[in-house]
This record gives sequence, C-alpha cells and structure tokens, in this order.
Amino acid sequence: QQPVQSPQAVILREGEDAVINCSSSKALYSVHWYRQKHGEAPVFLMILLKGGEQKGHEKISASFNEKKQQSSLYLTASQLSYSGTYFCGTEELRRANNLFFGTGTRLTVIP
Amino acid sequence: SAVISQKPSRDICQRGTSLTIQCQVDSQVTMMFWYRQQPGQSLTLIATANQGSEATYESGFVIDKFPISRPNLTFSTLTVSNMSPEDSSIYLCSVGLAASKTQYFGPGTRLLVL
Repeated sequence: QQPVQSPQAVILREGEDAVINCSSSKALYSVHWYRQKHGEAPVFLMILLKGGEQKGHEKISASFNEKKQQSSLYLTASQLSYSGTYFCGTEELRRANNLFFGTGTRLTVIP
Repeated sequence: SAVISQKPSRDICQRGTSLTIQCQVDSQVTMMFWYRQQPGQSLTLIATANQGSEATYESGFVIDKFPISRPNLTFSTLTVSNMSPEDSSIYLCSVGLAASKTQYFGPGTRLLVL
C-alpha cells in the first residue's frame, strides 16, 4: 500500500513555514525525501534512517518516528525555489533498497 | 551522486509498437531501478534491474510487457511492448548508491502513445 502524504497541496507566502507528513502501514528502515519540479526528475533532499534524524539542508529538516512509521518534512522561511511536489520514499524493513513513494504534496510559494 | 542519462528524452508512438528506453550511468552501480510516473501521479516502481540475472518485477508489472536488460554495471534498458494509450507516462531510471544509501534519478523519458 502506498504511503500517504498530507496535505495534498499547500500554498505559502515567502517566509512562511510548512510541514509535510508521510505515513506508511509498513515497518520502515528509512524514509527518503525528494522534490520534483514540473517537467523535471525528482531531486534527493535527505534520508532519515531508523534510529536517527538527519538534517539535509539549511532550512529544510525532517524527523522519522519508526514506531509510528511516520516522517515529517519541515520547511522554514520558505523561498520561491521551494515550490514543487514533495515525495517521501519509504524503504521497508523487509524490502531493503527498494523505495515506495508517497502520494505527493504540491507546494506553491508565492511572493 | 551520479550522472545519469536516458534516451530518448521523449517520444510519440503508435499503439501496438514497442519502445526501448536506455539508461546510462557515469560510474558502476550495483542497483538500478525503473519507475513509471503517470501524469500528475506519484512514482511507481516497475522493477529492479539486476546485473547478470533476470529483473525483479513489482506486482502489476510483467516481463512480457516490460522486458529489462542489464548487461553491465553502467547500463540498462526498459522496453515498453505492444503499447496502448494507457502506457503514456514518464519512465525514469534510478540508481542506488551505497555511500549515500539513497537513489538518484535520471531525467526521464516522456512517452505518448496515440
């Protein structure tokens, strides 16, 4: 079953903060976050491993609660360049190295 | 990361025909994957391309429809066979890098089937 992300879409003004959530029904080893701009390939942002939290970028961070099989991506002081669709990719404990992508969250940052 | 290229970048095909998509990486990688992304949708894993053995397909995808080759550690092909309009999608290859424990994507192939 595909991981579920929320919200489906969000509109922010520059400088505002946002949280994107990812929830899986499977036991997870890691969660990977990607951003995809229209017409482009997904770009890797960061990875959260079981038992740890990792910050990948200056104003973008994430958390991973492996007990709840949930991850959240935090975007602070948003910039226009943050616009795009964000996907979480989950690596299940029983399916190492394979990623299963969430439903996606479309983020639009306006001036 | 790795530099990944795909050919063709886009194509328009007639139903009933087949198209082979190539994925080339600038370094040897153990893991290569093929995904499909239908318009406005998320990425769906088609298969893992295994070097020297048959690809491992996900539920809903079969070898007769999506044959995959992986002749070496830098190259793979995905063929979309006997195409129908429902096969219109973006097809992306990705590579898994052990050092970073994640996957990096190629630019994708945009396929339109008429």
